[in-house]
Amino acid sequence: GAVVSQHPSWVICKSGTSVKIECRSLDFQATTMFWYRQFPKQSLMLMATSNEGSKATYEQGVEKDKFLINHASLTLSTLTVTSAHPEDSSFYICSATTGGAGNQPQHFGDGTRLSIL
Amino acid sequence: AQTVTQSQPEMSVQEAETVTLSCTYDTSENNYYLFWYKQPPSRQMILVIRQEAYKQQNATENRFSVNFQKAAKSFSLKISDSQLGDTAMYFCAFMYHSGGSNYKLTFGKGTLLTVNP
Repeated sequence: GAVVSQHPSWVICKSGTSVKIECRSLDFQATTMFWYRQFPKQSLMLMATSNEGSKATYEQGVEKDKFLINHASLTLSTLTVTSAHPEDSSFYICSATTGGAGNQPQHFGDGTRLSIL
Repeated sequence: AQTVTQSQPEMSVQEAETVTLSCTYDTSENNYYLFWYKQPPSRQMILVIRQEAYKQQNATENRFSVNFQKAAKSFSLKISDSQLGDTAMYFCAFMYHSGGSNYKLTFGKGTLLTVNP
């Protein structure tokens, strides 16, 4: 149980392109989803918290116009990197939780490797 | 601000032996949750074990156990009978209530564990 699917797993695109990454909870309803960014050999940095039906809450330093997050249903959240540039190249990971009490762990997707040429 | 410190960037252990990974954290919160996640080369984050701060009893999951010392703000992970499949990056994580219905995870920088045959 508690499977989170992330798609695509790897995307390569030209600078200036917008890229959409999907995060789906397959067997549970995710009231809250999180988006992280991970640079090589580094830890995960939280970008934003997304509650279903609400606007995402972005961490300090994360450009909300650059990284558009939509959480339209209890099983799907999307991250769109707009006008991507080489510095946006990174590993992006989503996680999902049923929310509520803090002892509900976050379940992670497999991640998306984004390479901007 | 919550911080998580993993002082061992890399560790190695022989197969079938026991290894302990260190983690300390700093917080002014009283209610929080602690987790260990592993990230194998496939990059998927896998929950290893979790501990509620209000519980004195140390959590165990098969070969994995923790030594939770709340006063010292220490949360180490012991892996018994190490297996080759345990080779991965291990992240210690701290979860706290960040407001409303949201809880945030803060990760340490990770410890790369290599199990040698």
